[in-house]
Amino acid sequence: SQQGEEDPQALSIQEGENATMNCSYKTSINNLQWYRQNSGRGLVHLILIRSNEREKHSGRLRVTLDTSKKSSSLLITASRAADTASYFCATDARSSASKIIFGSGTRLSIRP
Amino acid sequence: ETGVTQSPTHLIKTRGQQVTLRCSSQSGHNTVSWYQQALGQGPQFIFQYYREEENGRGNFPPRFSGLQFPNYSSELNVNALELDDSALYLCASSLAWAVRRTTSYNEQFFGPGTRLTVL
Repeated sequence: SQQGEEDPQALSIQEGENATMNCSYKTSINNLQWYRQNSGRGLVHLILIRSNEREKHSGRLRVTLDTSKKSSSLLITASRAADTASYFCATDARSSASKIIFGSGTRLSIRP
Repeated sequence: ETGVTQSPTHLIKTRGQQVTLRCSSQSGHNTVSWYQQALGQGPQFIFQYYREEENGRGNFPPRFSGLQFPNYSSELNVNALELDDSALYLCASSLAWAVRRTTSYNEQFFGPGTRLTVL
């Protein structure tokens, strides 16, 4: 089963609005990463937040991490048409067989 | 551009055949991971190689195998192809380090993927 689960599965907003996506996970992690994917192509790394961090910013992106609730959120401010994509969270779990596990993604559509 | 390349871009095979997919890691990276992504789903972890040794495997049968070479490029081999193997196969390279029998990572850099269709 997936370690991370994104919510909502799909989101449609007007250009200029803010988009918020959430991710929940099950086990303790070293870090959590957010990725973007356009139309079944390769994933683009957006931001990495470590387990000892609570918030991180990168341009129009803001990521929060709550390890007590095992959840993270990705906020995209002032959305643009080019932000239309699928967004995935991925967790680097603390285990001897460490690997990065992806959620099922949020499909974001920006309406002009 | 991430500096990670994959070949081929697209591939069509028939059931029962074997396939080899290739990945060239970003310079300086010592870890490569392979993922299978079915349409509309998130990437599913197949396995990872760290310094030429397998370092973790997902829930995939043994007919999925891999190699990592001294230059850190990698291959994914799939034997006895099944229809359900049709998917986008992604490789990702990263720089990892080992701390007390676990491995920690920086961000992964993904290649553009190989679209495999099994007929």
